[in-house]
Amino acid sequence: DTGVSQDPRHKITKRGQNVTFRCDPISEHNRLYWYRQTLGQGPEFLTYFQNEAQLEKSRLLSDRFSAERPKGSFSTLEIQRTEQGDSAMYLCASSLTVSGNTIYFGEGSWLTVV
Amino acid sequence: DQQVKQNSPSLSVQEGRISILNCDYTNSMFDYFLWYKKYPAEGPTFLISISSIKDKNEDGRFTVFLNKSAKHLSLHIVPSQPGDSAVYFCAATLTGGGNKLTFGTGTQLKVEL
Repeated sequence: DTGVSQDPRHKITKRGQNVTFRCDPISEHNRLYWYRQTLGQGPEFLTYFQNEAQLEKSRLLSDRFSAERPKGSFSTLEIQRTEQGDSAMYLCASSLTVSGNTIYFGEGSWLTVV
Repeated sequence: DQQVKQNSPSLSVQEGRISILNCDYTNSMFDYFLWYKKYPAEGPTFLISISSIKDKNEDGRFTVFLNKSAKHLSLHIVPSQPGDSAVYFCAATLTGGGNKLTFGTGTQLKVEL
């Protein structure tokens, strides 16, 4: 399968714990995005990378969230001291750099904070 | 500030008929628009897109229409099939925006037998 891959697919954690999600983009794609989706809403942009550089972060991304893409390939999204409001689906996507190019999404990682 | 709006949260259509899903946007700088389909517990799947220099793009049963003056686009599905039942998201992006997408809130399409 050469699509965007996310791991884990589901995570249940206690409030206050840290969680980390991993994303492997489509291999030739140099842009990687993280989105968050809650029930009844469309996906909301969190951050994106071009190669290993993090080029933009949404104001939704509080200081408890950190994303990395150390070698310009896979990326991790860590949430520290989770809160119940962090419960959502975290979506990773990738694309080529060309403007207007289609963005392809992974299947998402469901986070439930109890 | 909802820059992309899908005002119909749900739509029900009979199999074989046309499904029309609507989307409005407020940011005139958006220049590329996409439609995604999403099943529960899965990521969005790309369906079709259109550049702002066009007013129509067709791919099989799916056609997207863009009316720039009205800041409105629509997705037509003909004929509708039960497998089309899903949530459909309209998304927009702008040149120089890093392909970052702004999504609407989605329309739940149900195609009935």
